[in-house]
Amino acid sequence: QSALTQPASVSGSPGQSITISCTGTTSDVGTYNLVSWYQQHPGRAPKLIIYEASKRPSGVSYRFSGSKSANTASLTISGLQADDEADYFCCSFAGSRTWVFGGGTKLTVL
Amino acid sequence: QVQLVQSGAEVKKPGASVRVSCKASGYSVTTYDIHWVRQAAGQGLEWMGWMNPDGGDSGYAQKFQGRLIMTRDISTSTVYMELSSLRSEDTAVYYCARGIGVYNSDFDPWGQGTLVTVSS
Repeated sequence: QSALTQPASVSGSPGQSITISCTGTTSDVGTYNLVSWYQQHPGRAPKLIIYEASKRPSGVSYRFSGSKSANTASLTISGLQADDEADYFCCSFAGSRTWVFGGGTKLTVL
Repeated sequence: QVQLVQSGAEVKKPGASVRVSCKASGYSVTTYDIHWVRQAAGQGLEWMGWMNPDGGDSGYAQKFQGRLIMTRDISTSTVYMELSSLRSEDTAVYYCARGIGVYNSDFDPWGQGTLVTVSS
């Protein structure tokens, strides 16, 4: 499979909102609601922040939200904080017990 | 708490094999799948495959078919990932992650990562 498409970078000022897109195909994002998002700080392991496209795990800030429309999933972070600066990756189930990640997006908090 | 602890860094020569372990604690390892994901320096995440520690069945991304094997030792709650015929492009941090939720699609938590360096 080909990797899901994410913008290489996004930026925003503290307090603002940003949205990161994740575009796949009808073989993955477009067919399954099984899209998850991960936050990764430098030198650290990824952390699950959104699952099943729009659900938030216990302990994850309400400022993180997810959605999906057709072949594109989106992650929105509201009320940007300095600690949100990290890399963000989307991941989708792609059928036949396979998964595919996005290329990742580097978020810079200005 | 639920935790995955991986083995330490490895340095291997091209053509060799590497085995990385992932020890689970805080839950029964037979309850959820374990996935393996790798990340080359400065690059994105790449899904490699999954294993069901209960039945021992596994599935691998097409790219790794033929040189990736996942095994487990239930008595020690440990899952292993072995990659053979190593080449320089396999230099990366390798992560294990527990798969939860629908189709075990949500990876949580992750191990701390194991750096594998392939160099002559």
